Amino acid sequence: AQSVAQPEDQVNVAEGNPLTVKCTYSVSGNPYLFWYVQYPNRGLQFLLKYITGDNLVKGSYGFEAEFNKSQTSFHLKKPSALVSDSALYFCAVRAYTGFQKLVFGTGTRLLVSP
Amino acid sequence: NAGVTQTPKFRVLKTGQSMTLLCAQDMNHEYMYWYRQDPGMGLRLIHYSVGEGTTAKGEVPDGYNVSRLKKQNFLLGLESAAPSQTSVYFCASSPGQYNEQFFGPGTRLTVL
Repeated sequence: AQSVAQPEDQVNVAEGNPLTVKCTYSVSGNPYLFWYVQYPNRGLQFLLKYITGDNLVKGSYGFEAEFNKSQTSFHLKKPSALVSDSALYFCAVRAYTGFQKLVFGTGTRLLVSP
Repeated sequence: NAGVTQTPKFRVLKTGQSMTLLCAQDMNHEYMYWYRQDPGMGLRLIHYSVGEGTTAKGEVPDGYNVSRLKKQNFLLGLESAAPSQTSVYFCASSPGQYNEQFFGPGTRLTVL
């Protein structure tokens, strides 16, 4: 079955420090991977995606993600965290079951302390 | 450009009542989706549409119906609400099935 795992329910980091939010995937064929962010009482916002090409993908708000095929991972990173980055982050993988749908992870809450 | 909008934002129903959630998008997207978000479970696809007049079942379609009479609108109906349908419902749209999806702000539904 095609799936995404986000092993950490919550990540705590101090402002100014680098952050990593982890994601691993299981999919047949080439993976198409996405990161979304959800701020309180808001819908999900697209951050970045990996389709093919460079393993380091740059996205919105200074975020980037590193695709690692051998480890089946797609970790979200930022060199210097901001308090305003505090939100819920979802990793997703495209899965085909007669239709190209997104399979979401359970989400990781990021808390950036001042 | 409003993007994806949803009405209502909040709703409380009693078991057995019916209601319709409205999703509208002004981006001329072909594809539209309805998800539900439950704690610890991420987002799960309820129904989707690949164009005006079409609908299809997602992962958790039971207890829901949908209609896409106009390209810009995608309606989600609950004919007889159950407490298990208490959730936050998100609508999304995309130009095609390979593109990223744009999400609405959500509707928080409580069924008592």
